[in-house]
Amino acid sequence: DAEITQSPRHKITETGRQVTLACHQTWNHNNMFWYRQDLGHGLRLIHYSYGVQDTNKGEVSDGYSVSRSNTEDLPLTLESAASSQTSVYFCASSAGTGGYNEQFFGPGTRLTVL
Amino acid sequence: EDQVTQSPEALRLQEGESSSLNCSYTVSGLRGLFWYRQDPGKGPEFLFTLYSAGEEKEKERLKATLTKKESFLHITAPKPEDSATYLCAVPHRDNYGQNFVFGPGTRLSVLP
Repeated sequence: DAEITQSPRHKITETGRQVTLACHQTWNHNNMFWYRQDLGHGLRLIHYSYGVQDTNKGEVSDGYSVSRSNTEDLPLTLESAASSQTSVYFCASSAGTGGYNEQFFGPGTRLTVL
Repeated sequence: EDQVTQSPEALRLQEGESSSLNCSYTVSGLRGLFWYRQDPGKGPEFLFTLYSAGEEKEKERLKATLTKKESFLHITAPKPEDSATYLCAVPHRDNYGQNFVFGPGTRLSVLP
């Protein structure tokens, strides 16, 4: 069965370190998304991609970057981790062009920045 | 500005006690409304898509309906395994392109 996976599932890091969260999908979806979920804020879009070599900033992109070199993967990098980036991160993917189709989510990565 | 609100924030039901969750939205040119279920420690799981006012979708004890300004998720004779946070989302176009805006969710607890 097709799926979307994230790794690691849990990560503890220190302020100032670079961190990369992996996202891999086997749906062959064009569109991939990164969200963070915090109490009181719900799901907020960080970055998204509509295809290989395409990346776009979302609502809360400061301090994060992504790159899309193939269809299956969209890694999220925190350039210099800050305590405000402690959160649960979800990757999602959807079919079609643009971002209007149902999104399928990964299991999440819980990141703690000390 | 496109917005999605959900009510109530939390709901506690006894097993078998039916109720409804509300999702209200303000978005120009609705291109669908999506319902998700999220269990603690897991990613949201897709439930339904509704595209036009009057449309209804059903899955087990859940029925989603859509009007021009809101959607309801009706839960009939719920069981404890229906306990979860229910999220709704609408696609919209803003400075960030064509994406979803999610509501804050309703946390449902069904007591045995």
